[in-house]
Amino acid sequence: NAGVMQNPRHLVRRRGQEARLRCSPMKGHSHVYWYRQLPEEGLKFMVYLQKENIIDESGMPKERFSAEFPKEGPSILRIQQVVRGDSAAYFCASSPGSGNQPQHFGDGTRLSIL
Amino acid sequence: KNEVEQSPQNLTAQEGEFITINCSYSVGISALHWLQQHPGGGIVSLFMLSSGKKKHGRLIATINIQEKHSSLHITASHPRDSAVYICAVMEYGNKLVFGAGTILRVKS
Repeated sequence: NAGVMQNPRHLVRRRGQEARLRCSPMKGHSHVYWYRQLPEEGLKFMVYLQKENIIDESGMPKERFSAEFPKEGPSILRIQQVVRGDSAAYFCASSPGSGNQPQHFGDGTRLSIL
Repeated sequence: KNEVEQSPQNLTAQEGEFITINCSYSVGISALHWLQQHPGGGIVSLFMLSSGKKKHGRLIATINIQEKHSSLHITASHPRDSAVYICAVMEYGNKLVFGAGTILRVKS
């Protein structure tokens, strides 16, 4: 399956720990997007990255959240010192380029904070 | 007011019925996506369109750019179509803005 791969599918953390969510885009895709779906809410844009560049991080909380997409390897969404309110489904999507390109979604990571 | 409004929020249909889900948006867009999400599952992109109409199997999507409105139609609905259908508009800059979703249940 050459689709967007996210891992882990489920992640449980205690308050104050760090969460790392990984996303491998589809083959040939160099653009990655992260979206968050809070319980009982719709999806919200977080960040848009190209290889080694953050293009738009207007949806990222100002503190504790960071994202990267290195030259080699998957994109990582990192949440430091997690709190209960970070519990959500985090989806990654990828596209081959910018402009009117369809975005292909992964199956998401369900993050639960104890 | 949300930038993307979907209606209805919930929809129950009998197997075989023709279904329409509507999406209105208030911002300038370069394209519109229709997405499908099963409970606890991932998101599947059904259509991306910027004008006119697209058809895939029993699914049809239309968009009217002047009226800022799109519809998703499902013909001959089936219980396996039960899912959440989400309209998402692509603002200039590739960012997607999502509607709240329509929960569809098709009964046999």
